[in-house]
Amino acid sequence: ETGVTQSPTHLIKTRGQQVTLRCSSQSGHNTVSWYQQALGQGPQFIFQYYREEENGRGNFPPRFSGLQFPNYSSELNVNALELDDSALYLCASTPSGISGGGNEQFFGPGTRLTVL
Amino acid sequence: QQQVKQSPQSLIVQKGGISIINCAYENTAFDYFPWYQQFPGKGPALLIAIRPDVSEKKEGRFTISFNKSAKQFSLHIMDSQPGDSATYFCAALDSNTGNQFYFGTGTSLTVIP
Repeated sequence: ETGVTQSPTHLIKTRGQQVTLRCSSQSGHNTVSWYQQALGQGPQFIFQYYREEENGRGNFPPRFSGLQFPNYSSELNVNALELDDSALYLCASTPSGISGGGNEQFFGPGTRLTVL
Repeated sequence: QQQVKQSPQSLIVQKGGISIINCAYENTAFDYFPWYQQFPGKGPALLIAIRPDVSEKKEGRFTISFNKSAKQFSLHIMDSQPGDSATYFCAALDSNTGNQFYFGTGTSLTVIP
């Protein structure tokens, strides 16, 4: 087990609602990245947080926002949910400020979001 | 626009056989290429990774072959086992300028006994 936990495991929302997903990073990891994984697809980078600041963003609209807290837990918030937001949302923590380059990303098990 | 293209989409291999999954990329700035293994209900887990300064990296039964000129890399799983049945993703990163991993679309591997 990587030590990265996510909650809730599953979530059902209706179109237009707002949702908050939570991630608890592995101890000592100060960087967290969030990904959206649609069914049958690879993870798509949403954004990354480092020391509580956004540190890079993928091609996602502003209604996807995040927070990182001093204890390295983090949240992904999605406003005005759309049907296409249905996906597995993964967070991944990294020991330092730069993912990759030898610094492994440790993924959580994900939150399965269904938008009806 | 898919930055990393992966094939095949699915693969069925006999136990003891060799599983081969291929990926191709366009961005020559990519300098870190990991492979991830994902089981149902789990997040991806790093399997093996390579940098473009080497052409091959082997860890146990898993080998990455890297062809810089062709901008292609592949994962070879030797002596495939039923426990290897999972979805495999290749990914790429430009570690000098960004922190965004680009993932392939995944390969569902089934190893039959």
